[in-house]
Amino acid sequence: EAGVTQSPTHLIKTRGQQATLRCSPISGHTSVYWYQQALGLGLQFLLWYDEGEERNRGNFPPRFSGRQFPNYSSELNVNALELEDSALYLCASSFAPRPLGGGELFFGEGSRLTVL
Amino acid sequence: GENVEQHPSTLSVQEGDSAVIKCTYSDSASNYFPWYKQELGKRPQLIIDIRSNVGEKKDQRIAVTLNKTAKHFSLHITETQPEDSAVYFCAAATGGGNKLTFGTGTQLKVEL
Repeated sequence: EAGVTQSPTHLIKTRGQQATLRCSPISGHTSVYWYQQALGLGLQFLLWYDEGEERNRGNFPPRFSGRQFPNYSSELNVNALELEDSALYLCASSFAPRPLGGGELFFGEGSRLTVL
Repeated sequence: GENVEQHPSTLSVQEGDSAVIKCTYSDSASNYFPWYKQELGKRPQLIIDIRSNVGEKKDQRIAVTLNKTAKHFSLHITETQPEDSAVYFCAAATGGGNKLTFGTGTQLKVEL
């Protein structure tokens, strides 16, 4: 069974440009999560999508946005790139949310974004 | 929102020794506490988790304890091996869904 796949693996952009990152969840998973992993800062929650809707958003500016498609894949868009956006962007997927919460997240290998 | 603090940031132990990583959380409504292991250049993977209605859970050499009153939980690794060397992240989730708030990670190094 294929795991969570992300593309591109690496992306180099310059300040002010836009970046688009893509994620395909594990088959059967309806939830997709995006995390930013910058050096020394752990995993910072960006966005959570389930069944095509944004369910929660982390403390990031509006230039970080995304969407989930009918096939549950997702893309993350970062507009007006800044140097501090350089990080590893991890996508994770899981089964549908449970009423009491809690369930394993399956992560992809990540997309390394470098902003020059 | 939830805030998770994790200590220490780095931990070096001798092979065969035990390692303990501690986390505290701020939201008393949090009810799910997983631990993820991230090897160098690899994706984070779940190694153990615990729910708020359980005080301790063990899986071979790994155990997690939870103190709801003090709002802290810990990861215990016994008989450490070189392959345990990695970054370990604690996390907490509140309510429905699987949105996790992660700690800042602990770099564990097991020396021969």
